[in-house]
Amino acid sequence: KNQVEQSPQSLIILEGKNCTLQCNYTVSPFSNLRWYKQDTGRGPVSLTIMTFSENTKSNGRYTATLDADTKQSSLHITASQLSDSASYICVVRGTSGTYKYIFGTGTRLKVLA
Amino acid sequence: NAGVTQTPKFQVLKTGQSMTLQCAQDMNHEYMSWYRQDPGMGLRLIHYSVGAGITDQGEVPNGYNVSRSTTEDFPLRLLSAAPSQTSVYFCASSPFEGGFYEQYFGPGTRLTVT
Repeated sequence: KNQVEQSPQSLIILEGKNCTLQCNYTVSPFSNLRWYKQDTGRGPVSLTIMTFSENTKSNGRYTATLDADTKQSSLHITASQLSDSASYICVVRGTSGTYKYIFGTGTRLKVLA
Repeated sequence: NAGVTQTPKFQVLKTGQSMTLQCAQDMNHEYMSWYRQDPGMGLRLIHYSVGAGITDQGEVPNGYNVSRSTTEDFPLRLLSAAPSQTSVYFCASSPFEGGFYEQYFGPGTRLTVT
């Protein structure tokens, strides 16, 4: 069964610190992997889209990595800010099946001053 | 551009009532979809449309209807609300279905069925 699992479920860090969120997936065949940021009470907003041939992709202080061989991805946040407090959702798009986007349950990040 | 807009933002229904959740986009996107987000679960696809006049079922379509008469609008109808439909509903759009197109999400509608 195609699945996307994220860890940790929740994380609390101090402002200015770095953190790394994990995403493991079993979706196959694989097209691309996306990371979204979802602020409380808002819709998800895209951070990165990575194909199987991309190992690293950055968007400001957000850096995503992908290992298509081990089916693992991570999202690294550098020098965290209070505004980074949100849920981060990993989404894997397959190439077969009707429901091609498989969503993880998210990691809830809280950044404290 | 307003992007993807959804109304209402909040709604409370009694069991058995019907209602329509509105979704509109001004980006001329062909692909639109509806998701529901429940605690402890990833977003799940309810219905989707690849263009005006074309709709299809997603993963959890029971109890919901959709239509797509224009490119801009994609309303979601709850036929007879049930407590199990208490959820946050998101509409999303992208230029086309598939590949590496960005998906843009609306702000969501929080629905409570009592």
